[in-house]
Amino acid sequence: GESVGLHLPTLSVQEGDNSIINCAYSNSASDYFIWYKQESGKGPQFIIDIRSNMDKRQGQRVTVLLNKTVKHLSLQIAATQPGDSAVYFCAENLKSSGSARQLTFGSGTQLTV
Amino acid sequence: SQTIHQWPATLVQPVGSPLSLECTVEGTSNPNLYWYRQAAGRGLQLLFYSVGIGQISSEVPQNLSASRPQDRQFILSSKKLLLSDSGFYLCAWTWTAGEQAFFGQGTRLTVV
Repeated sequence: GESVGLHLPTLSVQEGDNSIINCAYSNSASDYFIWYKQESGKGPQFIIDIRSNMDKRQGQRVTVLLNKTVKHLSLQIAATQPGDSAVYFCAENLKSSGSARQLTFGSGTQLTV
Repeated sequence: SQTIHQWPATLVQPVGSPLSLECTVEGTSNPNLYWYRQAAGRGLQLLFYSVGIGQISSEVPQNLSASRPQDRQFILSSKKLLLSDSGFYLCAWTWTAGEQAFFGQGTRLTVV
């Protein structure tokens, strides 16, 4: 079946460095991608999203890059801070047979600062 | 603004006991609603989703069921819990167009 996966389960960075978290997806029909941040014991929080008609989108200290050719997206966090420590999930949005759209999540990357 | 409430935050239940987790959304109408389960150190597995009252789609065969008695209420249930039902359960909602999901704070269920 289709899947979204992450290259690395853990990532450790020094405070102030930039972090890059990668994600691969397999369904070329996916047209919307989201990055979530999940702190321990809490629900995932939206960070940034990108549509398939874009290659790059920037937020506050975060940038998402989408490479449709190789079905890869990445999350870049600038000047990583201790508060950025969390599990980061990418998710792809698939159009189901009905009107509902379902998010498919990767397994997550644990970022430790 | 929209908010999502999920309770309880933690729950310890014996094997064979029933389960009822509740989720409500405020500030929007006709949301799509979802139940996910997250095993320790793992990603989110979609269990159920609903596009309207009484409309439930199940993603994986399991010991659980879901119901949507009202537009903004989503309930996850079990008649008899198994040890394997332990996990972190998350409720989420999306707009009808269904793109970005908004999550509740989760329920940590431990079956003993």
